[in-house]
This record gives sequence, C-alpha cells and structure tokens, in this order.
Amino acid sequence: DTAVSQTPKYLVTQMGNDKSIKCEQNLGHDTMYWYKQDSKKFLKIMFSYNNKELIINETVPNRFSPKSPDKAHLNLHINSLELGDSAVYFCASSQVVLGGGDQETQYFGPGTRLLVL
Amino acid sequence: AQKVTQAQTEISVVEKEDVTLDCVYETRDTTYYLFWYKQPPSGELVFLIRRNSFDEQNEISGRYSWNFQKSTSSFNFTITASQVVDSAVYFCALKTDSWGKFQFGAGTQVVVTP
Repeated sequence: DTAVSQTPKYLVTQMGNDKSIKCEQNLGHDTMYWYKQDSKKFLKIMFSYNNKELIINETVPNRFSPKSPDKAHLNLHINSLELGDSAVYFCASSQVVLGGGDQETQYFGPGTRLLVL
Repeated sequence: AQKVTQAQTEISVVEKEDVTLDCVYETRDTTYYLFWYKQPPSGELVFLIRRNSFDEQNEISGRYSWNFQKSTSSFNFTITASQVVDSAVYFCALKTDSWGKFQFGAGTQVVVTP
C-alpha cells in the first residue's frame, strides 16, 4: 500500500563509485521529483519529470542523471560520487493540473540516506 | 522570485504548552499554494495541509490549526497542547508555477519535553 517507495533506504559507498536510487509511486500521478536534503535539513529540488519528460533541472552537476522509464518510476543515477553528495534524497510525486488545483500536493517517499566515504 | 522564511530555527516547549510556527512567504503570483509538512525523527516527510491563495479561511484539525493571512504574507501553524510525539522538524512550502516546483523554508525544529 506504500504510495511512494524508494530503494535502497540506506546507501554507504566509497568516493568515485557509481550508484542508483530507485523510486516508484502507485498513486497514478503524472509528475515525479527528486529532492536533496542536506545535513542542515534544507530541502532543495533537483529534478522533476512530467509524463517521462524532464521539466525541472536545477543546476545539478552532470554526475546526476535522472531516468524515467514510465510515469510511475523515476530513478536517480549518480556517477563518480563525492563526499559532498552525502545527504538524504527524497523522491516525491504529484498530479500536476495546469492552472492549479487540489491535486497539487506532493507526496514524499521515505528517503534514501546516502553516505559517501 | 519565490521565497519562504521560517525565522525560528528551534522551539522548545514543555508538554501541553501551545507552540506557534511562523511562515512568511514572498511571491508576485496571484495564484499560489502553501503547504506544511512534518518530518519526525524517523525522517519521512508527512503532508499536513495545503492552502490555496484564494482561500483565506483558517483551518483546524484536532490540535493543529493554521492561520493564513495574505495581508502579511503569512501562513502560521499552531500546535495546541503539544505532546512529545509532536517533536519534529516542520517545513512550510510555497508552490506557484504549474510544474510543481516547491520552495521550502529552512524548517523549524520543535522539541517537546515531558
């Protein structure tokens, strides 16, 4: 019954490695997001996909590459991990309504805690 | 540009006290949405409330209440008779454009002690 799920929940890896985080939502939403939460709890959007199309790309290093195979999935691949990538990564989804509407709420996954050593 | 300010970094209260979290937002858009999320120590982000810019009616849900005032660009959140389980970081967020970009405030840590 989980609405937005992420795997893995914890990820500990060495600098320079490549890793992926997977996200799936079963809410029937058409838009998915990746957020990064730093050690000071600040939440910042990284990417957003609407119906598999990239619509938000916030000055994120090229080492981060999102991929959306379908509108229920949005994966995040990170190349050449750096110490500064250590953070909690949240996936979220919503149903975007042009012009706004009650469906605009974003629902978040449980987060993936990434630690780069 | 959109901005959300949560000036209170941390609030500590004793159980049963009321606590009010401030949220001030900036936007030039006439249509926007405001949200509050709770992040307990377990880490997940829990949606609490959404308010549309054209609906200034205040809302109460159990011990939670929200005061939306467009005149002061504020969307404050009050927890009445706080409980230890209310200990969490609370985020205020603003959404303006149609593509779902949220602008989050820095969060307010609420610590409720028995």
